[in-house]
Amino acid sequence: GEKVEQHESTLSVREGDSAVINCTYTDTASSYFPWYKQEAGKGLHFVIDIRSNVDRKQSQRLIVLLDKKAKRFSLHITATQPEDSAIYFCAAATGGNNKLTFGQGTVLSVIP
Amino acid sequence: DMKVTQMPRYLIKRMGENVLLECGQDMSHETMYWYRQDPGLGLQLIYISYDVDSNSEGDIPKGYRVSRKKREHFSLILDSAKTNQTSVYFCASSLGPSAETLYFGSGTRLTVL
Repeated sequence: GEKVEQHESTLSVREGDSAVINCTYTDTASSYFPWYKQEAGKGLHFVIDIRSNVDRKQSQRLIVLLDKKAKRFSLHITATQPEDSAIYFCAAATGGNNKLTFGQGTVLSVIP
Repeated sequence: DMKVTQMPRYLIKRMGENVLLECGQDMSHETMYWYRQDPGLGLQLIYISYDVDSNSEGDIPKGYRVSRKKREHFSLILDSAKTNQTSVYFCASSLGPSAETLYFGSGTRLTVL
């Protein structure tokens, strides 16, 4: 089955700098790649996704890049703010189903 | 207000006891999920439900069963809980079954002694 590896288990950046979280996946059939954010003591909530028909997507300060050849995708958070501090999860699913396989999570700390 | 509600938030049980975790959503979503979250493992899918009485095993269904008798409610049942089922359990829902945004509840922290 699909395996998703999230390369950074923790990441610390200074406020205003950019943060980059990298994920790799194994199943070439995967075509849907969402990112979720989890704040302390809460459930996950959706932040951004990308589908395999594009290689870049931006929503305000969030940019997702997808490299299908390398089976790699990444989340870039620009101009970080303290409220960006959270655990971020990447995930992958094949087209036509919502059985997401999640990465292990990255704890992002934004230092004021 | 779009919400997924989980009850209870915290639960302590003894090994061998039965456990019922409940989940509700107010968005008339077709598809609902149960995940467990363990440190270093991310989230693992236990069961997925495509609608009332239409349930499918996820990646780690052993030791669990589910019930969905109404679209808005999805229950996770542990018959004779084991200590390795200590975890945080999340329920989620999505509008449909494919490549859709998941809406998560706040989780139930289950401790099995």
